[in-house]
Amino acid sequence: DQQVKQNSPSLSVQEGRISILNCDYTNSMFDYFLWYKKYPAEGPTFLISISSIKDKNEDGRFTVFLNKSAKHLSLHIVPSQPGDSAVYFCAASAHSGTYKYIFGTGTRLKVLA
Amino acid sequence: DAGVTQSPTHLIKTRGQQVTLRCSPKSGHDTVSWYQQALGQGPQFIFQYYEEEERQRGNFPDRFSGHQFPNYSSELNVNALLLGDSALYLCASSLVSSNQPQHFGDGTRLSIL
Repeated sequence: DQQVKQNSPSLSVQEGRISILNCDYTNSMFDYFLWYKKYPAEGPTFLISISSIKDKNEDGRFTVFLNKSAKHLSLHIVPSQPGDSAVYFCAASAHSGTYKYIFGTGTRLKVLA
Repeated sequence: DAGVTQSPTHLIKTRGQQVTLRCSPKSGHDTVSWYQQALGQGPQFIFQYYEEEERQRGNFPDRFSGHQFPNYSSELNVNALLLGDSALYLCASSLVSSNQPQHFGDGTRLSIL
């Protein structure tokens, strides 16, 4: 049972444009959501998170939006840069993130110069 | 400030053997979580250790066991290795008293022949 889904395995975007990565979840007990970025041969690197009491969180070029009624979150990257090319994982957790994270299968983003 | 370190980087074993993977958490962190990432998948939670006790466990068989030491470092042991255990094993650390995200190491790539 895939509780966190990333339905787009890959995404290509032109440099300078917006990248939008999507994630859906099924478990209404999730109250903390995160995005991680992963380069080959490296571990996942934390990007940005959002608590279920918010619907938006912004950090520089990265913004995460949470739609609780639709059980959907998205990551916006503006403007996209070639160095953003990586695999992006959405993760969710209950208990304010103090326990396990449930990850999606990832979306490979390619930013074209 | 050292991040999460894992050893070894790569490991090759044969079916039926046993393996031990090691993890040192980020300085100041007291909780260690282990994840298994199969090819093309997102990380899957194995278990989490805090105060030298297993705090939470994912859907993995008893062949997977762990330990946390007084200095917060941790080991993951897998017995009776199967071909399906071939994966990237990721260690993540966090501080239980904070809601900061888990920090990941670069992982151990385990190949079973």
